[in-house]
Amino acid sequence: RKEVEQDPGPFNVPEGATVAFNCTYSNSASQSFFWYRQDCRKEPKLLMSVYSSGNEDGRFTAQLNRASQYISLLIRDSKLSDSATYLCVVNGRGSSNTGKLIFGQGTTLQVKP
Amino acid sequence: EPEVTQTPSHQVTQMGQEVILRCVPISNHLYFYWYRQILGQKVEFLVSFYNNEISEKSEIFDDQFSVERPDGSNFTLKIRSTKLEDSAMYFCASSDQGTAGYTFGSGTRLTVV
Repeated sequence: RKEVEQDPGPFNVPEGATVAFNCTYSNSASQSFFWYRQDCRKEPKLLMSVYSSGNEDGRFTAQLNRASQYISLLIRDSKLSDSATYLCVVNGRGSSNTGKLIFGQGTTLQVKP
Repeated sequence: EPEVTQTPSHQVTQMGQEVILRCVPISNHLYFYWYRQILGQKVEFLVSFYNNEISEKSEIFDDQFSVERPDGSNFTLKIRSTKLEDSAMYFCASSDQGTAGYTFGSGTRLTVV
């Protein structure tokens, strides 16, 4: 089983749509969870951390289900500028002190006018 | 906003040659990392560095790789004898708190011919 698994997409949606991405992780000991955004041939950039209680940042909502080892990201009112690859990221096995991050393959979002 | 700076942005080298990729982490950060991303694939952890020593390394980080922080500001990745399969984007990152507060550099695209 992959350490972090995502549906690669692509997701093609019209402007204004709501889109949801899902992710599963294999290491039940993981403690830190993130969504990163990566534009083509650029570095990953932190979109938001994911907390057990769920958290929201503007149009973005992240949820974590530790029992199911499942993370989600919801984007409301999609903008053209949201087009990117969204990376599900968790801290590495037994490495909360070293800061190692494990990345999923990424889910590609294309927002159309 | 503080940045992680990487040089060069693109390096072309012949198979078998040594390359050194350079990074200047954010000045008050304590944790330093190298990741790589082969075209079309996920971001993969290579190595973490803390308190002037390697704190964790992946299976990819074999004897041909080494890291150094020679002067308290630069953080380098050396590949001793490059192979075609080393062609990838190499990202440096630094953080002040392990998995939190991560900042990635814009990457060095390494092409081995």
